[in-house]
Amino acid sequence: EIVLTQSPGTLSLSPGERATLSCRASQSVSSSYLAWYQQKPGQAPRLLIYGASSRATGIPDRFSGSGSGTDFTLTISRLEPEDFAVYYCQQYGNSLYTFGQGTKLEIK
Amino acid sequence: QMQLMQSGPEVKKPGTSVKVSCKASGFTFSSSAVQWVRQARGQRLEWIGWIVVGSGNTNYAQKFQERVTITRDMSTSTAYMELSGLRSEDTAVYYCAAEIQLPRYSFDYWGQGALVTVSS
Repeated sequence: EIVLTQSPGTLSLSPGERATLSCRASQSVSSSYLAWYQQKPGQAPRLLIYGASSRATGIPDRFSGSGSGTDFTLTISRLEPEDFAVYYCQQYGNSLYTFGQGTKLEIK
Repeated sequence: QMQLMQSGPEVKKPGTSVKVSCKASGFTFSSSAVQWVRQARGQRLEWIGWIVVGSGNTNYAQKFQERVTITRDMSTSTAYMELSGLRSEDTAVYYCAAEIQLPRYSFDYWGQGALVTVSS
């Protein structure tokens, strides 16, 4: 099973700042198989990025994904108040999926 | 409008089973895949397993391998997740999510979640 480790656990920033979230895999992951989700309290997760760098339908272009191999990054260029939430990466490998433990993005 | 509608909250006794349903609408169910994910209060997302609807092929996380069965009924566009041998640690919100453009290895549409409470 591929283990995903997200860092930092909590990120405290102000609206307008840039956020950089990391997702590291225990073994190499195909870029096609890496996705990012946003979850707000009391809501189901929402798909943001698939294939490591493609934005899902309706996702603003301030969200971008990058990376390959074992290191992947979600960047939010200028934080809006509605972006403060928990972010999860998910990967597919050996017919199974796994999630990272999440990064909480909180208002500073 | 594409959506997944899950069954309602359940309260179960330890040792029993629960079956949660997930009814799809607005997309071609037979061309999709459905995953099941759970989340205990305040905890991380935990992947349970998934089914490729057209073929019926399933795969489960090792943690749940012995206790979970995921099925689908194409006549009603509904996926099911049954978890047996319930214990208090299984108390969580259970989500289904659909991948509607295979293979994209990501899940676009999510159900609203179903709270399963395990208590004696």
